[in-house]
Amino acid sequence: QLQLQESGSGLVKPSQTLSLTCAVSGGSISSGGYSWSWIRQPPGKGLEWIGYIYHSGSTYYNPSLKSRVTISVDRSKNQFSLKLSSVTAADTAVYYCARQRAGQFDPWGQGTLVTVSS
Amino acid sequence: EIVLTQSPGTLSLSPGERATLSCRASQSVSSSYLAWYQQKPGQAPRLLIYGASSRATGIPDRFSGSGSGTDFTLTISRLEPEDFAVYYCQQYGSSALTFGGGTKVEIK
Repeated sequence: QLQLQESGSGLVKPSQTLSLTCAVSGGSISSGGYSWSWIRQPPGKGLEWIGYIYHSGSTYYNPSLKSRVTISVDRSKNQFSLKLSSVTAADTAVYYCARQRAGQFDPWGQGTLVTVSS
Repeated sequence: EIVLTQSPGTLSLSPGERATLSCRASQSVSSSYLAWYQQKPGQAPRLLIYGASSRATGIPDRFSGSGSGTDFTLTISRLEPEDFAVYYCQQYGSSALTFGGGTKVEIK
């Protein structure tokens, strides 16, 4: 059974870079036909897609975040990562990683709260 | 960007009642790429419906999805206590994805 687990810093200072990793177990991140996504949810609010990376390395980002986002994959560790630069308080959210196929997200990681504060 | 508008924002119902949730898109969405998720407090969302009407693995048949074009519906035929949660629709098109704002189904 495929499982995803987010990890990274839970507290980031304004203007710095948020960095998270999603470890994939129970399957290979190099499996064809899938992409690997990041989604976030500010406290008490709805879901926002951040971006995804295909097994080939091609990336697609939410236009509203594109200038600040980088998603990369490390096949040797079976994991993928998110970097979000120049963060502000508006980037405080629970960040989820998920596998994506045909536009649907399944499964999801449990999520990790990242707070932007000095 | 395709905007998804969900209504109502909150639905107050009793166990055993039928729930009908709406998701309206600002432009036509391929039915193949419309999904519904359930989220309970403190948990990650769970895929319920994909391709507008196909149930994900392990999802009870009281959940059903329908619709096409710009209007989609999630129906819960008879609410069970564990169904009280927030539901989101989501679409995928032109390599970009968007979520609706969610509908909270609460116990009346």
